[in-house]
Amino acid sequence: DAKTTQPTSMDCAEGRAANLPCNHSTISGNEYVYWYRQIHSQGPQYIIHGLKNNETNEMASLIITEDRKSSTLILPHATLRDTAVYYCIVRFQGGSEKLVFGKGMKLTVNP
Amino acid sequence: EAGVTQFPSHSVIEKGQTVTLRCDPISGHDNLYWYRRVMGKEIKFLLHFVKESKQDESGMPNNRFLAERTGGTYSTLKVQPAELEDSGVYFCASSQGDRALGEQFFGPGTRLTVL
Repeated sequence: DAKTTQPTSMDCAEGRAANLPCNHSTISGNEYVYWYRQIHSQGPQYIIHGLKNNETNEMASLIITEDRKSSTLILPHATLRDTAVYYCIVRFQGGSEKLVFGKGMKLTVNP
Repeated sequence: EAGVTQFPSHSVIEKGQTVTLRCDPISGHDNLYWYRRVMGKEIKFLLHFVKESKQDESGMPNNRFLAERTGGTYSTLKVQPAELEDSGVYFCASSQGDRALGEQFFGPGTRLTVL
């Protein structure tokens, strides 16, 4: 699975959009981009995933660049409950089903 | 619908003792995964069941760890004998379908402390 690079941390004001970047320059054509988050000491929570098209669900939007070397997770209206560690994961279709977690990025939403 | 449940939530044992962790996946989910985070490290994959079969156990650290999923429902992860470095949080996750590229639903984890 391709390696991902995320900033260590980021702050965001409550109510504003949070844009979380991720670099995955070695991604291959069959690899999907997944985002999970871990709030405090709870289990990781799935947010969204995509291959090459932009995706949106009730939690967030995922914007993947045309060359697929980077992506941005957008939380449109961040709340205090969105404070968490966010993981960008690249996952190969047809390979192991496992998730490979990196260090992630700590997002702090401030009042 | 109930989510993934894990038992116990916390366990404190002495080095050399045995501990068994249990995971109940979401009903109907054929895929069950175990992960763990040991102190200061990243969350690491341990193994993956499809129903009662071990699909991938490449992350199991050594033969002191034994995972079972008899009947393809709940799973147990036994550590025998436990060592200090086994301390951490053990997460279970489940997903449905035979091509599990979708969402993995995680349980709250079991925090294991080995003294």
